[in-house]
Amino acid sequence: DTEVTQTPKHLVMGMTNKKSLKCEQHMGHRAMYWYKQKAKKPPELMFVYSYEKLSINESVPSRFSPECPNSSLLNLHLHALQPEDSALYLCASSQQTGEETQYFGPGTRLLVL
Amino acid sequence: AQSVSQHNHHVILSEAASLELGCNYSYGGTVNLFWYVQYPGQHLQLLLKYFSGDPLVKGIKGFEAEFIKSKFSFNLRKPSVQWSDTAEYFCAVKAPGNTPLVFGKGTRLSVIA
Repeated sequence: DTEVTQTPKHLVMGMTNKKSLKCEQHMGHRAMYWYKQKAKKPPELMFVYSYEKLSINESVPSRFSPECPNSSLLNLHLHALQPEDSALYLCASSQQTGEETQYFGPGTRLLVL
Repeated sequence: AQSVSQHNHHVILSEAASLELGCNYSYGGTVNLFWYVQYPGQHLQLLLKYFSGDPLVKGIKGFEAEFIKSKFSFNLRKPSVQWSDTAEYFCAVKAPGNTPLVFGKGTRLSVIA
């Protein structure tokens, strides 16, 4: 089973809203990732969690706040987003943050109005 | 830091034609190499990967890739494409340890009947 699930599939929010994206995996992976993907562009890394601790933050604005409640779950809390934040947000996981393969979820398509 | 170049932005082929998509990376040390595919409206799926050993790796759906260390290349090939291979193809590179997975800009493949 190499499944990473994400909810919701689609999200529309205003610039003053607070919302959360959720990601879950049950493969026993200890590394989880958030990526942002704009149309026809490659995924851009946002955050990496390793053993439930934040290990990489790629200079992401504070209006994006990640959280890893346990080894299977990864959240991305959104607050005061801008229209340019509209994108596909992908979650991925891997055994660890070494050279292991990353498995991607289907993504949440976010539209900020 | 490593970087990845995919020289072909958009490739258009007829069914049954042979495919080769170029990927070059810049990093002096040991790397792990991946090809991911993103079908229209779907999430990133792993096509194949190279960590070590035989430089010719076979993946799913009849794809293969060859790692040529002296050329810093990891080109993707398929002898005979099908309409269902229409998708965006991303090459990605990862150095060992707690380092990010770096994607190329992607190559859009359109297969016409």
